[in-house]
Amino acid sequence: DGGITQSPKYLFRKEGQNVTLSCEQNLNHDAMYWYRQDPGQGLRLIYYSQIVNDFQKGDIAEGYSVSREKKESFPLTVTSAQKNPTAFYLCASSREGVGAYEQYFGPGTRLTVT
Amino acid sequence: GQQVMQIPQYQHVQEGEDFTTYCNSSTTLSNIQWYKQRPGGHPVFLIQLVKSGEVKKQKRLTFQFGEAKKNSSLHITATQTTDVGTYFCAGLGGTDKLIFGTGTRLQVFP
Repeated sequence: DGGITQSPKYLFRKEGQNVTLSCEQNLNHDAMYWYRQDPGQGLRLIYYSQIVNDFQKGDIAEGYSVSREKKESFPLTVTSAQKNPTAFYLCASSREGVGAYEQYFGPGTRLTVT
Repeated sequence: GQQVMQIPQYQHVQEGEDFTTYCNSSTTLSNIQWYKQRPGGHPVFLIQLVKSGEVKKQKRLTFQFGEAKKNSSLHITATQTTDVGTYFCAGLGGTDKLIFGTGTRLQVFP
């Protein structure tokens, strides 16, 4: 089965703790993305990576960090510096990262920080 | 920076009625994509438009790309309850990133 997996589906953390969200794809896609979605809102780009060992900040990168050590994996760490971390986090991938290709989304992780 | 707005934000229709959502960009777009997100789900790609004035159809869905490549629309004919969800447009402007619109949430009453 080809696709994108995200885990866990729901995540609860205490304020002040860092948390890492997993994203894995077996589509052999070069580009991967992380988006944040707040209730009733659109998708805001956090970070993206067009190739292994390289990534760029999106529109709301503050308080987040990523790595891209393997083509299949693009984990996102939500740090304690993120002021409002509670949200729905979506990972996506595309064949290439120039916006000309459709993005495939994972099922998402709902993070709640109290 | 580039912005992509969608109207309306919400639309409630009776099953069988038509529905249209409009997408407007502040800059000229190279292409525009449309996605659908069911309640509690994740966005799923529907279609991509590239040419000025392009029109594409998928069964009851009709997608248009404006002549100036700054706007687009999605029209659903005779809505069904399975059409419920949020429809997003996403445009590629002067950067290498897709910019997602604010979305239109469609509710269909049986």
